[in-house]
Amino acid sequence: EPEVTQTPSHQVTQMGQEVILRCVPISNHLYFYWYRQILGQKVEFLVSFYNNEISEKSEIFDDQFSVERPDGSNFTLKIRSTKLEDSAMYFCASGSSNYGYTFGSGTRLTVV
Amino acid sequence: QKEVEQNSGPLSVPEGAIASLNCTYSDRVSQSFFWYRQYSGKSPELIMSIYSNGDKEDGRFTAQLNKASQYVSLLIRDSQPSDSATYLCAVIRSTLTFGKGTMLLVSP
Repeated sequence: EPEVTQTPSHQVTQMGQEVILRCVPISNHLYFYWYRQILGQKVEFLVSFYNNEISEKSEIFDDQFSVERPDGSNFTLKIRSTKLEDSAMYFCASGSSNYGYTFGSGTRLTVV
Repeated sequence: QKEVEQNSGPLSVPEGAIASLNCTYSDRVSQSFFWYRQYSGKSPELIMSIYSNGDKEDGRFTAQLNKASQYVSLLIRDSQPSDSATYLCAVIRSTLTFGKGTMLLVSP
């Protein structure tokens, strides 16, 4: 069964450093998404991406965040100058409104 | 007003019983409705989708949708200890929006 692949599974970074989280969506999906889940809280939408452009973003997705599709398969989330409150699970997903989104296994980001 | 509301639980049922999970949503324009299962420390896993009023059955799972009442539910028949997880209701208008989830505990 096709799956969404995320790397790394766990990233520890110092406050103020930049991190890049990577995702390989399902190959025939056109829409890609990033979500985050702070420990014990709900899954929150960050950004959606279609046709090499951001199609929608939440209030959380401020200038600290950026997304790219550097090649035909990878989809990245960059967090510049990380803060302690950025510590969370970050999930990549791909899919559509009609069929639902398939989530990757996530990257646990710990900012120290 | 919260967009997607669920009782946080935990909902405790004995093995073999029916578990009933409920969800309400605020946006009447919501188009598609999903139930995800999330085990502790894992990612959400899609288990059911429903788009029109009524019931949709898939194995032991039945999703129910009532757009007039803005209400979605998930029934799990013959509950198993392996069903113990947090169940997330999610709705789409433009993007997928999750509720906080209901923790289900199935005791042997």
